Amino acid sequence: KQEVTQIPAALSVPEGENLVLNCSFTDSAIYNLQWFRQDPGKGLTSLLLIQSSQREQTSGRLNASLDKSSGRSTLYIAASQPGDSATYLCAVGLNRLAFGKGNQVVVIP
Amino acid sequence: NAGVTQTPKFQVLKTGQSMTLQCAQDMNHNSMYWYRQDPGMGLRLIYYSASEGTTDKGEVPNGYNVSRLNKREFSLRLESAAPSQTSMYFCASRQRTGGLSGNTIYFGEGSWLTVV
Repeated sequence: KQEVTQIPAALSVPEGENLVLNCSFTDSAIYNLQWFRQDPGKGLTSLLLIQSSQREQTSGRLNASLDKSSGRSTLYIAASQPGDSATYLCAVGLNRLAFGKGNQVVVIP
Repeated sequence: NAGVTQTPKFQVLKTGQSMTLQCAQDMNHNSMYWYRQDPGMGLRLIYYSASEGTTDKGEVPNGYNVSRLNKREFSLRLESAAPSQTSMYFCASRQRTGGLSGNTIYFGEGSWLTVV
């Protein structure tokens, strides 16, 4: 069974600092890896999708890398802003997506 | 653009009552999913439908039934609600492509269900 772990569970950073969020998974046959953002009481919004053949994806201030051999993905958010405060989740798989429990981020103005 | 729409957004049930959560997507996606999200447990897959006419169990299917009514709609039914089913429920959809690649999954805003 695929296990997805996100560390740390929660973190706070001053505005302007770069955010680094980690996701690890146990089975390298992942097909895809997605990063999501979730605001309190809301649904999940997809940020980036990395296919298993890719090593990274970028969108604006966001960059996600994928290293299947080590079972890890990292989400970088450059120059963090208070509006980046949210929970970030990663998920791996095709139909049976396995989710991590998330990184709860607070960006302090 | 509506995307994935879930109804109702909030519901309180008594133990033993039944209810159906409705989900519809307007993106012509093949695959649809129902998840529950609980504090400390993360998101867990209840059921999914890879394509119209098919449904499969996920990680936590006990106590639930689903119906893929047509390509747009995928409903989740609780036949006899239990307090353990108090949770936030999310419907999601994805355009399933052939082979090993996949596409972005889109989530609804969620339905908060409390069973007392």
